[in-house]
Amino acid sequence: KAGVTQTPRYLIKTRGQQVTLSCSPISGHRSVSWYQQTPGQGLQFLFEYFSETQRNKGNFPGRFSGRQFSNSRSEMNVSTLELGDSALYLCASSFVGVGEQFFGPGTRLTVL
Amino acid sequence: DAKTTQPTSMDCAEGRAANLPCNHSTISGNEYVYWYRQIHSQGPQYIIHGLKNNETNEMASLIITEDRKSSTLILPHATLRDTAVYYCIVTRTISGGGADGLTFGKGTHLIIQP
Repeated sequence: KAGVTQTPRYLIKTRGQQVTLSCSPISGHRSVSWYQQTPGQGLQFLFEYFSETQRNKGNFPGRFSGRQFSNSRSEMNVSTLELGDSALYLCASSFVGVGEQFFGPGTRLTVL
Repeated sequence: DAKTTQPTSMDCAEGRAANLPCNHSTISGNEYVYWYRQIHSQGPQYIIHGLKNNETNEMASLIITEDRKSSTLILPHATLRDTAVYYCIVTRTISGGGADGLTFGKGTHLIIQP
């Protein structure tokens, strides 16, 4: 069974631009969570989607948003990029949000 | 979710058992202990979780003290590929994240020495 896939794997943007990252969960999984990982702050929870609805959100500004489609694929968007948004963005999927989370390889975003 | 405390780093010889401690003295009765690890530049990988009984799977064993204030992850025969950052996470839901998200601390950097 294919794992969680994320595209693109690497991305370079400049300040002020916006970016959209994509996550395809494991087949049958309906819950998708997003995390940001930086050297300074570690791994931090952004938000979680289940059946196209956001169920919870971490402590991030409104520039960070997401959505989930009917096939459970999810996208996250960051608008008006700042240098501090440079990070590894990880998504994780699970069947219905129960049990272990399966993480993708991440998208490494660099903001110049 | 309860806070966890882990050593910053540990070394272990290849082939020996690696014992990673975690302190979670403020854990509540309905909170689970989860362990994940992250090998450099990869996404975190689930290892094991438990509530109050000891648990074992093909990767590791989880020993939770009777008062549940601490736990130990045991990798029975460590290999070089077990070198990673290991995260002990306490979460109140069996979802192990899901809607509530996982709260990752700094973790323990386990280095397996040849």
